[in-house]
Amino acid sequence: QVQLQQWGAGLLKPSETLSVNCVVNGGSLSYYYWSWVRQPPGKGLEWIGEINHSGDTNYNPSLKSRVTISVDTSKNQFSLKLSSVTAADTAVYYCARGGGYKFDSWGQGTLVTVSS
Amino acid sequence: DIQMTQSPSSLSASVGDRVTITCRASQSISRYLNWYQQKPGKAPNLLIYAASSLQSGVPSRFSGSGSGTDFTLTISSLQPEDFATYYCQQSYSTPRTFGQGTKLEIK
Repeated sequence: QVQLQQWGAGLLKPSETLSVNCVVNGGSLSYYYWSWVRQPPGKGLEWIGEINHSGDTNYNPSLKSRVTISVDTSKNQFSLKLSSVTAADTAVYYCARGGGYKFDSWGQGTLVTVSS
Repeated sequence: DIQMTQSPSSLSASVGDRVTITCRASQSISRYLNWYQQKPGKAPNLLIYAASSLQSGVPSRFSGSGSGTDFTLTISSLQPEDFATYYCQQSYSTPRTFGQGTKLEIK
């Protein structure tokens, strides 16, 4: 059974770049899209974007100018970078397997707080 | 973007009750609709995909129906572990979008 394990810096200052990584254990990056979803404290879920093993990406237009999602097939992992963060980017960031079908496996979540 | 609207936003019910949550899409999404359960401090968990298919390992008291713009999630007999927040999500197009959530609380 595939398991997603994620990690990243938990505290950032405004204008810095958020970086979170997700390694896929027990499965291959092939045949699926891999997504990032975030959840501000006490609020709902927002899809950030997705990537496949070939590096094809789709981004949420609301974040597209600041988001980069990349994949490293040699490490079986994919990554999220969000530039120029503000307090509004404070959230739990989740990686998930899926995109155009269903999100059927999720990472444990990484809380990223943006504060000066 | 396709807007997903859930109702109600919150719901109080008792163990053993039958509960229905609805989700409406701002345009037709065929059957590209998924349902998730989320408990505090945990990642969402997929319950139903493609509107009515039960994800492996999910109890059969959960069911989904609908197509086009209107969908429902039904829990046939609430169990203590079902008190959580539920989200619908469309996978018809990008950006993938979620409903605002329905918080199911114990009466």
